[in-house]
Amino acid sequence: SQQGEEDPQALSIQEGENATMNCSYKTSINNLQWYRQNSGRGLVHLILIRSNEREKHSGRLRVTLDTSKKSSSLLITASRAADTASYFCATGLEGFKTIFGAGTRLFVKA
Amino acid sequence: NAGVTQTPKFQVLKTGQSMTLQCAQDMNHEYMSWYRQDPGMGLRLIHYSVGAGITDQGEVPNGYNVSRSTTEDFPLRLLSAAPSQTSVYFCASSYPSKETQYFGPGTRLLVL
Repeated sequence: SQQGEEDPQALSIQEGENATMNCSYKTSINNLQWYRQNSGRGLVHLILIRSNEREKHSGRLRVTLDTSKKSSSLLITASRAADTASYFCATGLEGFKTIFGAGTRLFVKA
Repeated sequence: NAGVTQTPKFQVLKTGQSMTLQCAQDMNHEYMSWYRQDPGMGLRLIHYSVGAGITDQGEVPNGYNVSRSTTEDFPLRLLSAAPSQTSVYFCASSYPSKETQYFGPGTRLLVL
């Protein structure tokens, strides 16, 4: 089974609303990363949070990490139609291994 | 910089055929990896390399071989293609100290 599990699997919201996606993982990590994938394209890195950090911001993105619960959340504020994509969490393990979750499909309606 | 490039973009194979998926990066990244993406499964790590001459297995290495003779190139070989290997394959690279991975555009493989 995969290291990371995203929740929900799919999310549909109106433009301007906030979108929250969650990720849970199983083992100790060095860092946790979030990536975005537009349909049929490669993945694009959004943000990285290290295991000793609790919260990080980048523009409209806010990521939290709770290592005691082995979980992370990605918040996209004031969503736009262009945010429609799949979002993946990825856990960075020892030896530079990075394991991805199954992703959350976000659809933002204009 | 071209970033991470992958060839071919699309390939159809018959069961039992072999082929090599090419991946190259011009960013002098030490770390490179191969993933496969199947519907509803996210990305699964096949093999990865932390530098020239060093490779290791990921989550789903069976049926695939890799080698890393140069920093720039990291080819993925399918030894005897099977329909279960129908997937989209992504190559990625990064600096180990940065950890952020840069992905190529992917290769769509169909095995009949």
